[in-house]
Amino acid sequence: DSGVTQTPKHLITATGQRVTLRCSPRSGDLSVYWYQQSLDQGLQFLIQYYNGEERAKGNILERFSAQQFPDLHSELNLSSLELGDSALYFCASSATVKAASADTQYFGPGTRLTVL
Amino acid sequence: GENVEQHPSTLSVQEGDSAVIKCTYSDSASNYFPWYKQELGKRPQLIIDIRSNVGEKKDQRIAVTLNKTAKHFSLHITETQPEDSAVYFCATHTGGFKTIFGAGTRLFVKA
Repeated sequence: DSGVTQTPKHLITATGQRVTLRCSPRSGDLSVYWYQQSLDQGLQFLIQYYNGEERAKGNILERFSAQQFPDLHSELNLSSLELGDSALYFCASSATVKAASADTQYFGPGTRLTVL
Repeated sequence: GENVEQHPSTLSVQEGDSAVIKCTYSDSASNYFPWYKQELGKRPQLIIDIRSNVGEKKDQRIAVTLNKTAKHFSLHITETQPEDSAVYFCATHTGGFKTIFGAGTRLFVKA
């Protein structure tokens, strides 16, 4: 158990709908990262937050948005869902973000999203 | 743009043999190189990492080597066991705080 929690574990919804995925980082970790993993694919970095502020953006669609709250949990919002959005969504956390180096990322168990 | 190339995409070895997975990256500002193991349906788990000021790191049967000049790093698993079968991902951490993952290597260890 990494200490990172994600809810829900599974989510089934229809095209055009909107969903919210939730992540709680390890105790004391200030950074949260979101990744998308489609079937048999690699991990695509979506976005990163540090202590409530957006720090880096990857290949995140405009239909997707995220935020990190004062208690450091994070939510990933996916709207106008398409069939191709079906994937495993992982959240990871790390202690800090430094320009010169990086801390280990610990992954949550993931949320499996199925869009029908 | 920044990318990480990982080879091979699939690797099959006999139990007890060694396995080597290689990654090449493009961003010279990368300074942290973790390796993750992902079993089917589970989360990626860090197995070893190396920072740019170190050329090699070993942890029991697993080792990672880094060549910053050539911009490549490799994962070495010795005395492979069936439980080593999984997908392995390399990654780099760029100066812009982004973590970029390789496409993954599916390792099969045959008993």
